[in-house]
Amino acid sequence: DQQVKQNSPSLSVQEGRISILNCDYTNSMFDYFLWYKKYPAEGPTFLISISSIKDKNEDGRFTVFLNKSAKHLSLHIVPSQPGDSAVYFCAASPEGGGADGLTFGKGTHLIIQP
Amino acid sequence: DSGVTQTPKHLITATGQRVTLRCSPRSGDLSVYWYQQSLDQGLQFLIQYYNGEERAKGNILERFSAQQFPDLHSELNLSSLELGDSALYFCASSVGAGGTTNEKLFFGSGTQLSVL
Repeated sequence: DQQVKQNSPSLSVQEGRISILNCDYTNSMFDYFLWYKKYPAEGPTFLISISSIKDKNEDGRFTVFLNKSAKHLSLHIVPSQPGDSAVYFCAASPEGGGADGLTFGKGTHLIIQP
Repeated sequence: DSGVTQTPKHLITATGQRVTLRCSPRSGDLSVYWYQQSLDQGLQFLIQYYNGEERAKGNILERFSAQQFPDLHSELNLSSLELGDSALYFCASSVGAGGTTNEKLFFGSGTQLSVL
């Protein structure tokens, strides 16, 4: 049972436009959410996170929105740049949990078109 | 560079064989995690070690085992290999035991295992 779902395996966006990556979760115990970014031949790297007490967290061009009632979060990248082309993993952790309790989605391959 | 080193980068072997994947965590990190990424699958948590002791266990098969040594490097042993074990295996490390939500993972670049 996939508790963290990224239903779009890939997404193509034009450079300069907004990229929106979506993530849904089913476990209501999840309390902390993270996005990781992965380039080919490299391991995932932490991008941004959000706690369930917030509905928005912003870091430069990256903003994560959380809708707890819908069990949905999204990552917005504005403006999109060629270097943003990568696989993005959504991850979730239960309340009181941490790195040992992370559940990852399958990832979305973002392609930024010049 | 995350500071986490995984060797080898690629491994090709046959069914029924046994292999060992190695991971050196970032300097100062006490926890090591192992993840498996199969085709079309997300990162599946296998097992975590903290300061030499097993801390958490995920979807790790009985044919798989791991350990963390006194110098904190870790090895993942995969035995009686099957075709379905072909995957990218990641190691990650963190400073503490992983029990806090703001503790980040730092991933190595992975070992691509191909079982033929």
